[in-house]
Amino acid sequence: KNEVEQSPQNLTAQEGEFITINCSYSVGISALHWLQQHPGGGIVSLFMLSSGKKKHGRLIATINIQEKHSSLHITASHPRDSAVYICAVRPSGGGADGLTFGKGTHLIIQP
Amino acid sequence: DVKVTQSSRYLVKRTGEKVFLECVQDMDHENMFWYRQDPGLGLRLIYFSYDVKMKEKGDIPEGYSVSREKKERFSLILESASTNQTSMYLCASSGQAGGELFFGEGSRLTVL
Repeated sequence: KNEVEQSPQNLTAQEGEFITINCSYSVGISALHWLQQHPGGGIVSLFMLSSGKKKHGRLIATINIQEKHSSLHITASHPRDSAVYICAVRPSGGGADGLTFGKGTHLIIQP
Repeated sequence: DVKVTQSSRYLVKRTGEKVFLECVQDMDHENMFWYRQDPGLGLRLIYFSYDVKMKEKGDIPEGYSVSREKKERFSLILESASTNQTSMYLCASSGQAGGELFFGEGSRLTVL
């Protein structure tokens, strides 16, 4: 059974700090998603990656396929980055929806 | 801007009532999904559809049904709502199997 573990579960940091959120999974995958959910519910897709590294603004996502591990980094964090960050993986050979979701990391950035 | 729109942000219903949650996407996506999200459990797939009139059970389909009569619309139906169906319901769509997911704003359902 595919397990997706995120750490930490909760993180409080000061504005400007460098943030790292980790995601580990247990089976071979074809893709990994990082999602952001703000209070109130809506979820936004941040990254979808299968190898290497992607960058968008202050957000960077990396993945190490051999170690079955991904990290999401936020540089120069800001209070508007406060949200729940969710990792989801698609096992290799998964069908139209084979996503397994982590339970999320609740991030609070204090001014 | 691409959009997935859910019909209601907040609903309060009584036990035994029939509940319809509607989702519309404007991206011509084949794949649509209904998830529920509960504290400590994360997102769990209820049903998904990869084409009009096609549907597949997800991980927790019991107590739910779905309808996809048109490509852009995917409805979740609770035939007889129960208190354990109090939850946040999220609709999503994707243009291809395994592709990027686009989510709606969510519908928070309370069943009394």
